[in-house]
Amino acid sequence: DVKVTQSSRYLVKRTGEKVFLECVQDMDHENMFWYRQDPGLGLRLIYFSYDVKMKEKGDIPEGYSVSREKKERFSLILESASTNQTSMYLCASSLCQADQKENTEAFFGQGTRLTVV
Amino acid sequence: KQEVTQIPAALSVPEGENLVLNCSFTDSAIYNLQWFRQDPGKGLTSLLLIQSSQREQTSGRLNASLDKSSGRSTLYIAASQPGDSATYLCAVSAQGGSEKLVFGKGTKLTVNP
Repeated sequence: DVKVTQSSRYLVKRTGEKVFLECVQDMDHENMFWYRQDPGLGLRLIYFSYDVKMKEKGDIPEGYSVSREKKERFSLILESASTNQTSMYLCASSLCQADQKENTEAFFGQGTRLTVV
Repeated sequence: KQEVTQIPAALSVPEGENLVLNCSFTDSAIYNLQWFRQDPGKGLTSLLLIQSSQREQTSGRLNASLDKSSGRSTLYIAASQPGDSATYLCAVSAQGGSEKLVFGKGTKLTVNP
């Protein structure tokens, strides 16, 4: 079974702190994604990566950065946490199948509930 | 820009009832559509994936259909149980770029014993 593991279930951080959210997958997937989920807004894509050291902005990248130094690990960084970044953060991964994109299935981690006070 | 809509936002049914959840999307150029389940405070669990060339997929009491030309999918749950209570999300993988997903806001299902 594919396993996507997020390092923390719950985090409480102070405004202005630098925050690292870590995600690890064990299935050698090329694609990795960070979403945030907020009531009434649904899931919104922050950043994604389709290879080591490659990244692309999603729909709401402001205030975030990412790092992908190894294929299995994708980190989300809040450079200076603010209260409006309080949210549920979800990491996902999928296999890159250039000739079988119809069959690409995404798998999610258990989520990190971040509270910025 | 691809947009995904799920109706209704919430649904409450008695145990044993068959039910249908709806998902619509604005751009039919998709690779596939996935249905997910989310329990409160948890991550997403993949239920079914329907490729754009397929019409339906089945897993146990779940059946998902896809009508790509009209931009619609349904998730049918047979003989609902209290354990089916959760939020159900649909997402499409849009063509023309990487395999990122665009999500609907979900349908919150409550199955009453």
